[in-house]
Amino acid sequence: QKEVEQNSGPLSVPEGAIASLNCTYSDRGSQSFFWYRQYSGKSPELIMFIYSNGDKEDGRFTAQLNKASQYVSLLIRDSQPSDSATYLCAVKRDGEYGNKLVFGAGTILRVKS
Amino acid sequence: DAGITQSPRYKITETGRQVTLMCHQTWSHSYMFWYRQDLGHGLRLIYYSAAADITDKGEVPDGYVVSRSKTENFPLTLESATRSQTSVYFCASRGQSNQPQHFGDGTRLSIL
Repeated sequence: QKEVEQNSGPLSVPEGAIASLNCTYSDRGSQSFFWYRQYSGKSPELIMFIYSNGDKEDGRFTAQLNKASQYVSLLIRDSQPSDSATYLCAVKRDGEYGNKLVFGAGTILRVKS
Repeated sequence: DAGITQSPRYKITETGRQVTLMCHQTWSHSYMFWYRQDLGHGLRLIYYSAAADITDKGEVPDGYVVSRSKTENFPLTLESATRSQTSVYFCASRGQSNQPQHFGDGTRLSIL
């Protein structure tokens, strides 16, 4: 079992709909979670991060954590064609000299106009 | 301009050659990271560094060497390149513990 798992997709949604992206993690003690967006041929850019103490909303984006089931979700409201990208989930993990991120393989999102 | 810069952006080389990928950041971030990204695997950590002269292995370190003599630079060397190291390589940096990582634009490396 991979430490962080995502459905590769593609997830297709119509413009204006809510896109729901999920990510499961194996370490029950995980406390920090990150969502990155990556356009084709570009580098990942941070969208949101949340801690184990609660959900977070930022504009059209909401990150939700379900600790009991060990998954984190990213909801994108009013999806736009410009949201079409690969979304990477990452979990913070302690290393010998500080923490690092473990990434899932990403979910491709396609928003159709 | 402040930021994180990778060079070269594209590189083609042959098996057995040594190749070095450069990463430079101007934020004075303590932490720097090297990832490779392959289809179906997402981003996998090769090495990271917590400060000058402090480095540690990540998930896929074999075949790679890193150094960090100055805070702003974190070069990645493939001492004897193999075809399996054909990939897109990303460098990232961050400040202290709860700050997010920021990525460079990547280096697309092809080994023939």
